[in-house]
Amino acid sequence: DAKTTQPPSMDCAEGRAANLPCNHSTISGNEYVYWYRQIHSQGPQYIIHGLKNNETNEMASLIITEDRKSSTLILPHATLRDTAVYYCIVITGGGNKLTFGTGTQLKVEL
Amino acid sequence: DAGITQSPRHKVTETGTPVTLRCHQTENHRYMYWYRQDPGHGLRLIHYSYGVKDTDKGEVSDGYSVSRSKTEDFLLTLESATSSQTSVYFCAISGAIAGAFSGELFFGEGSRLTVL
Repeated sequence: DAKTTQPPSMDCAEGRAANLPCNHSTISGNEYVYWYRQIHSQGPQYIIHGLKNNETNEMASLIITEDRKSSTLILPHATLRDTAVYYCIVITGGGNKLTFGTGTQLKVEL
Repeated sequence: DAGITQSPRHKVTETGTPVTLRCHQTENHRYMYWYRQDPGHGLRLIHYSYGVKDTDKGEVSDGYSVSRSKTEDFLLTLESATSSQTSVYFCAISGAIAGAFSGELFFGEGSRLTVL
């Protein structure tokens, strides 16, 4: 599975959009991008995933660049409860496990 | 919330003693996983299972064994616990879509193990 690179930390003002970047420059055509988050001491929570098209659900939007070498997770109106570590993971279609990196610590402040 | 429970949630034991952590699911999901989480290392995969009696090693499997004799239970055993195995252990489950791994994991609440 392709390696991902994320900034270790980011800050965001409450009510503003949080844009979390992820670089996956070695991604191959059959690899998916998944995002999870982990709120302090809890188990990680699935957010969203995509292959090449942009995706949106009730939690977030995922924007994948046309060359698929990077993606951005967007939380449109961040709240204090969105403070968490966000993980970007790339897995092969047909794979059966997820490898978590160290993620981005997002801090949402008043 | 996915029906997944871990037991025990907290355990303190001594070096050299055997320890078994249990993960129980009520979702009839095919895939089950054991991760450990330590400061500075994030989540690391220990072992996983893709069916009853079908298991495979993850990135940090040394010192651990697993068993899955039925769909709902996945046991993680430390045959002889060491202080380096002090950690928070998370179990996760995942279903399949058209027989394939869905990628969407549901995690338990974690089991905090301290080895003295």
